[in-house]
Amino acid sequence: SSEMTQDPALSVALGQTVRITCQGDNLRNYYASWYQQKPGQAPVLVIFGNNNRPSGIPDRFSGSNSGNTVSLTITGAQAEDEADYYCNSRDSGGDHWVFGGGTRLTVL
Amino acid sequence: QLQLQESGPGLVKPSETLSLSCTVSGGSISSNSYFCDWIRQPPGKGLEWIGSNYYSGDTYYNPSLKSRVTISADTSKKEVSLRLTSVTAADTAVYYCARHHTGWDWYFDLWGRGTLVTVSS
Repeated sequence: SSEMTQDPALSVALGQTVRITCQGDNLRNYYASWYQQKPGQAPVLVIFGNNNRPSGIPDRFSGSNSGNTVSLTITGAQAEDEADYYCNSRDSGGDHWVFGGGTRLTVL
Repeated sequence: QLQLQESGPGLVKPSETLSLSCTVSGGSISSNSYFCDWIRQPPGKGLEWIGSNYYSGDTYYNPSLKSRVTISADTSKKEVSLRLTSVTAADTAVYYCARHHTGWDWYFDLWGRGTLVTVSS
């Protein structure tokens, strides 16, 4: 099994840019996806394949990767982006899946 | 439009077996491109992957749960089931089924609304 580490909490001023990161050795070998979860709701896919946006996700959401770190960037954060964000990828063995601990994003 | 719906008892006694179903409507899970996983979230905590039942019938489980979990799929009924034995209070969580999209990348592209299961006597 692998661990993926996220900052527990971040804040961003309305309209500013925030980067949410996820670190793990498994990320050197496998793609990551990102999920947004608002209170009382199921998670929603916002990025897959490190940097691809599903249809319907605003283009202010983008993803990137470097070495053992993947990032989710929100450019021009909106009030509705306040949520928990989770990264996900395969573990180092490739047959199991692991989530990061999640980052709670507050939009000020 | 494809939808996933979890169902099952909301209350299970300690040491008993948790059984949930995920019903697919508006489409099929019998595909080389998709299968369904179970994921859970204890109250106030993060997401935990439970396991997968591939379209081939192969199953993969979280090592921390492997001895207690079984995931099976009935494609004719469009249903994926979860069984978790010998439950404790630590198994109290919202349980989600999620469609696992496969291809050049694999990701969870559709989630059910989740169902809360409480383990308590």
